[in-house]
Amino acid sequence: EPEVTQTPSHQVTQMGQEVILRCVPISNHLYFYWYRQILGQKVEFLVSFYNNEISEKSEIFDDQFSVERPDGSNFTLKIRSTKLEDSAMYFCASSLRGDGYTFGSGTRLTVV
Amino acid sequence: AQSVTQLGSHVSVSEGALVLLRCNYSSSVPPYLFWYVQYPNQGLQLLLKYTTGATLVKGINGFEAEFKKSETSFHLTKPSAHMSDAAEYFCAVRMNTGNQFYFGTGTSLTVIP
Repeated sequence: EPEVTQTPSHQVTQMGQEVILRCVPISNHLYFYWYRQILGQKVEFLVSFYNNEISEKSEIFDDQFSVERPDGSNFTLKIRSTKLEDSAMYFCASSLRGDGYTFGSGTRLTVV
Repeated sequence: AQSVTQLGSHVSVSEGALVLLRCNYSSSVPPYLFWYVQYPNQGLQLLLKYTTGATLVKGINGFEAEFKKSETSFHLTKPSAHMSDAAEYFCAVRMNTGNQFYFGTGTSLTVIP
């Protein structure tokens, strides 16, 4: 069964550093998403991406965040200057038609 | 914004007993409804979804859910719990316009042998 692949599974970074989280969506999917889950809290929407541009973003997705689909297969989330409160599990998801998603297994980001 | 309420952050059932995980949503227009399961250190796996049509939806691993518009609910059930069902379960909604999902806070299911 096709999978969404996320790397790395766990990343530790120092506060203020830039971090890039990588995702390989399912190859024929057209819609791409990032969600995050702070420990013990609900899964929160960050951003959706379609047709090479952001289609929706939440208030969490401020100027410190950016997304890119650099080569037609990868979908990345960049955090420019990490804060302690960015520590969370980040999930990438993709969808063919914008309905049921397939989620990746997540990247656990720890900011120290 | 939409909200999704999952009553009971922790539910414990005995092996073989009925599993009932509750989900209510706030929307005047019926949204699309989903249940996801998250096993430890893994991603979110789709259990089942309701978009249109039959209100009783069957999913993987013997789970099913019923959309009740009058109650704005989409409770998840399984007749007989198995040890392997122990996981975190998330209810989610998506409006039929827009792509954003709104998740509940999750229910942790423990199955007691």
